[in-house]
Amino acid sequence: DAGVIQSPRHEVTEMGQEVTLRCKPISGHDYLFWYRQTMMRGLELLIYFNNNVPIDDSGMPEDRFSAKMPNASFSTLKIQPSEPRDSAVYFCASSLVWGGKTQYFGPGTRLLVL
Amino acid sequence: ELKVEQNPLFLSMQEGKNYTIYCNYSTTSDRLYWYRQDPGKSLESLFVLLSNGAVKQEGRLMASLDTKARLSTLHITAAVHDLSATYFCAVDVGNQFYFGTGTSLTVIP
Repeated sequence: DAGVIQSPRHEVTEMGQEVTLRCKPISGHDYLFWYRQTMMRGLELLIYFNNNVPIDDSGMPEDRFSAKMPNASFSTLKIQPSEPRDSAVYFCASSLVWGGKTQYFGPGTRLLVL
Repeated sequence: ELKVEQNPLFLSMQEGKNYTIYCNYSTTSDRLYWYRQDPGKSLESLFVLLSNGAVKQEGRLMASLDTKARLSTLHITAAVHDLSATYFCAVDVGNQFYFGTGTSLTVIP
């Protein structure tokens, strides 16, 4: 398996624009996680899905953020409208079970909002 | 507010030496995770500790958990340059993961 795939790897956009980040989890993994990493706030869990269903989105910072998982092999994290403070690295991870050593992280999307 | 604190934040150590990274958390959790992150890279899961007294070892790294003290340690034995990275601990509470601030480790030849 190619591991968790994220696209794009880098994104530069202007404030107010819509940003869509994409993730393909490892096949067969039932859990998918979206994380955000910044210098100021460290690593934060934004939302996670179990069997394509959003389970906990309490980490989503604002209504400007939304996430979907239309099928077992694809998820999106959307920011609309984007703001400079959204600049961060966004990681997607997947796992067979909740937590555990089998949580595999994607390479991340480095987002810069100007 | 739940806090996960690591210390030290920065650690510079010579090759061949031993050292311990500490992770304290402020609420009850029976699961503690350790991750490694190389500069500019993604995270790699190292250990999951599932109960009080759990100890896991892989190579030169050994992790332990004391749930009563709300403390986990990551012990490095005979450090080598390849261990240079940032190490994060995390706990899961109420279906949420909370990460520590990270410990940036530099191993000097």
